[in-house]
Amino acid sequence: ILNVEQSPQSLHVQEGDSTNFTCSFPSSNFYALHWYRWETAKSPEALFVMTLNGDEKKKGRISATLNTKEGYSYLYIKGSQPEDSATYLCASRNTGGFKTIFGAGTRLFVKA
Amino acid sequence: NAGVTQTPKFQVLKTGQSMTLQCAQDMNHEYMSWYRQDPGMGLRLIHYSVGAGITDQGEVPNGYNVSRSTTEDFPLRLLSAAPSQTSVYFCASSLKPQGLSSYNSPLHFGNGTRLTVT
Repeated sequence: ILNVEQSPQSLHVQEGDSTNFTCSFPSSNFYALHWYRWETAKSPEALFVMTLNGDEKKKGRISATLNTKEGYSYLYIKGSQPEDSATYLCASRNTGGFKTIFGAGTRLFVKA
Repeated sequence: NAGVTQTPKFQVLKTGQSMTLQCAQDMNHEYMSWYRQDPGMGLRLIHYSVGAGITDQGEVPNGYNVSRSTTEDFPLRLLSAAPSQTSVYFCASSLKPQGLSSYNSPLHFGNGTRLTVT
């Protein structure tokens, strides 16, 4: 994997559904994996920063896992609410100068 | 605490004009970076810096210059604007990853500058 890739590009779910997104990143020169939440007309806000293989982080109904050996991370949202509607970005930070590269994001729409 | 401040918020330029987008942070962050956001393409890294006097190119550096004379400021210069540079620009900063205290430092973003080049 040469770039940071996210899937799916967009997702429509009903209120109460649980959902998950995937982020793939280059495993070489890996330093950290970031997840951000980006609401329309605002700036991205950090959700998680993960560094170690096997890391799991949780904030309320949102959690994330990290596999640095195979180069992927999952973001999970349990019991989606309309206020969870946003774009979720992942970013990979490398060891060479700490360049931080973003994926294109997953746009989540939660219908009440 | 102001965080990351970007100016201006909006700008319209004509092709060939030059301008500087300003970015300042008051969190003593060593790492600063510029991204552009285009529909369907997420955030693409233009230039970044790990400290005063040090800059490096990101994914899409052509047409942009940067300098880092102080820890607080990281201006982005467009020397000759082109319509392809119409975009929303975000400045972001973080502690430079070193040592346990800054090991998990995320990026802090400014509010963005919407630039239109006609």
